[in-house]
Amino acid sequence: EADIYQTPRYLVIGTGKKITLECSQTMGHDKMYWYQQDPGMELHLIHYSYGVNSTEKGDLSSESTVSRIRTEHFPLTLESARPSHTSQYLCASSPGAGEAFFGQGTRLTVV
Amino acid sequence: AQTVTQSQPEMSVQEAETVTLSCTYDTSESDYYLFWYKQPPSRQMILVIRQEAYKQQNATENRFSVNFQKAAKSFSLKISDSQLGDAAMYFCAYAISGSARQLTFGSGTQLTVLP
Repeated sequence: EADIYQTPRYLVIGTGKKITLECSQTMGHDKMYWYQQDPGMELHLIHYSYGVNSTEKGDLSSESTVSRIRTEHFPLTLESARPSHTSQYLCASSPGAGEAFFGQGTRLTVV
Repeated sequence: AQTVTQSQPEMSVQEAETVTLSCTYDTSESDYYLFWYKQPPSRQMILVIRQEAYKQQNATENRFSVNFQKAAKSFSLKISDSQLGDAAMYFCAYAISGSARQLTFGSGTQLTVLP
């Protein structure tokens, strides 16, 4: 089992609420990533980081923001949740060479 | 832009039989990696097998092997002696060597293993 953890696993929240999805890894990887995945569908990169204090937007436009203050921690924040944000969010980290280790995901439902 | 295409949304295989999942990709890069990832229902995505583009030899991991055709930009996954635990969504993925940007994924193939 890879040492990358996401909390919460499941979250149901009302429209307009601010939420933070947590992601932590203990492998010391510099590269970390957030993907959005609708059920049974492909993954879309929404944010990535290649080290502390570096973050970039991915391919899929997202209203979320991320921060990377510590190597092991890469939280994703939605300032005002909307039903269109309902999806699964996967965090991953990488030692390089393309290989990624994934967390178990957070399944978010905005009602 | 790099793209990864999996043309089989669903596949099924009888237990103990062999199945091949298809993947094609498009890139202008010469140095890259290809991967197959497995996502079981409600469980973590895990790496099944990887292939470096500069290697001509096809990668093998136990019952899993690939057929890498660089000129054709094809990267298929063969699962031999299929087991019930192989049932999952399988994603083909691509990454440029040395790039901080991460994997580009295909749309996935849902594999069902029939007892």
